[in-house]
Amino acid sequence: QVQLVESGGGVVQPGGSLRLSCAASGFTFSSYGMHWVRQAPGKGLEWVAFIRYDGSNKYYADSVKGRFTISRDNSKNTLYLQMNSLRAEDTAVYYCAKDLIDGSGSYTLGYWGQGTLVTVSS
Amino acid sequence: AIQLTQSPSSLSASVGDRVTITCRASQGISSALAWYQQKPGKAPKLLIYDASSLESGVPSRFSGSGSGTDFTLTISSLQPEDFATYYCQQFNSYPPITFGQGTRLEIK
Repeated sequence: QVQLVESGGGVVQPGGSLRLSCAASGFTFSSYGMHWVRQAPGKGLEWVAFIRYDGSNKYYADSVKGRFTISRDNSKNTLYLQMNSLRAEDTAVYYCAKDLIDGSGSYTLGYWGQGTLVTVSS
Repeated sequence: AIQLTQSPSSLSASVGDRVTITCRASQGISSALAWYQQKPGKAPKLLIYDASSLESGVPSRFSGSGSGTDFTLTISSLQPEDFATYYCQQFNSYPPITFGQGTRLEIK
């Protein structure tokens, strides 16, 4: 069965950096586009970034562009999110999600991990 | 960016009720809309994709309809496990992918 397990969250000071990981199993990771989505405490869902199955295309929300970098290692079945210059408003649960269909993708989030909490606070 | 507005933001209903949640897009998005269910402390779960296609394993009491700017999610007969928050999401115009603000469905 599909499994997505996020890790790397924690408490970081404003201006600091953090790298999140998402370990995938139960499907052919190298065939699917992957997303990061976040949810601030008590708030709604905010899409953060997408990476194509082969890593050739990456898209970002304006709120994180230039500060966050999405990447993947298909040999390790792992998705990453490098977060730099963190701000208090980046505090959220970060979910990785698998695209619904393989190939170029549907931009529908077919399966989600359980999330990892990032807290930006001094 | 395309904005999605859900209504109502919250509603109370009873087991067995028929419930409809609306999602309106700020511009036409064809049928590029999905619906998700999220229970407290849990990850969202895909219910409906392409506006009206039921995701595998999702009970048939859930249905979606609409195209262009107006969409609905209908639960034909509420079950206790359906009390949750529901989100719509568009993927017609990206980036960014955008979500509605959510509809919280509570027990009356």
